[in-house]
Amino acid sequence: SAVISQKPSRDICQRGTSLTIQCQVDSQVTMMFWYRQQPGQSLTLIATANQGSEATYESGFVIDKFPISRPNLTFSTLTVSNMSPEDSSIYLCSFFASTDTQYFGPGTRLTVL
Amino acid sequence: GESVGLHLPTLSVQEGDNSIINCAYSNSASDYFIWYKQESGKGPQFIIDIRSNMDKRQGQRVTVLLNKTVKHLSLQIAATQPGDSAVYFCAEKRGGTSYGKLTFGQGTILTVHP
Repeated sequence: SAVISQKPSRDICQRGTSLTIQCQVDSQVTMMFWYRQQPGQSLTLIATANQGSEATYESGFVIDKFPISRPNLTFSTLTVSNMSPEDSSIYLCSFFASTDTQYFGPGTRLTVL
Repeated sequence: GESVGLHLPTLSVQEGDNSIINCAYSNSASDYFIWYKQESGKGPQFIIDIRSNMDKRQGQRVTVLLNKTVKHLSLQIAATQPGDSAVYFCAEKRGGTSYGKLTFGQGTILTVHP
């Protein structure tokens, strides 16, 4: 199965700053997904990122706050902009394998002070 | 709104016992279900999946049962080991195509005591 990695694995950031999270897959995938997992909670889909088109955001998430790039079929970034303590979460990227199974990266643990 | 939920938020078992983790879903249009295991500090790890045209699927030490009549999904872990301690999430996919958004349940914390 494909390997999926994220950078950074964790970060502590100041209020008002932005952080860009990178996601790398070792094979080409059509769709990549970004999820948020707030402390002690389940996963919530932020957006779907297709190569060559704008990301599709779920209700409650907007591009200005979570801009996403998808420059090729193996890479995507998620930026958390103008951060507040409420943005402290684990951010996970994900993709569908050809078997319909969805695989997740290890996550980026973000703490905003 | 429609959602996937779990009956029990925590489950404690002794090593060697069998574990059963339950999940209820509300959307009868869901056609694909997945169980994930998430260990502390890691991303969710795929365990087993089942399609809506099946009632049961077995893997290594795990079995997923799907009861469409009552919209209930369960994960059975045989001979539970300390390494099975984690949070377990069920997820459903709707759409009938290879692409479909996953909706996750709240998760069950499984603790296995040696």
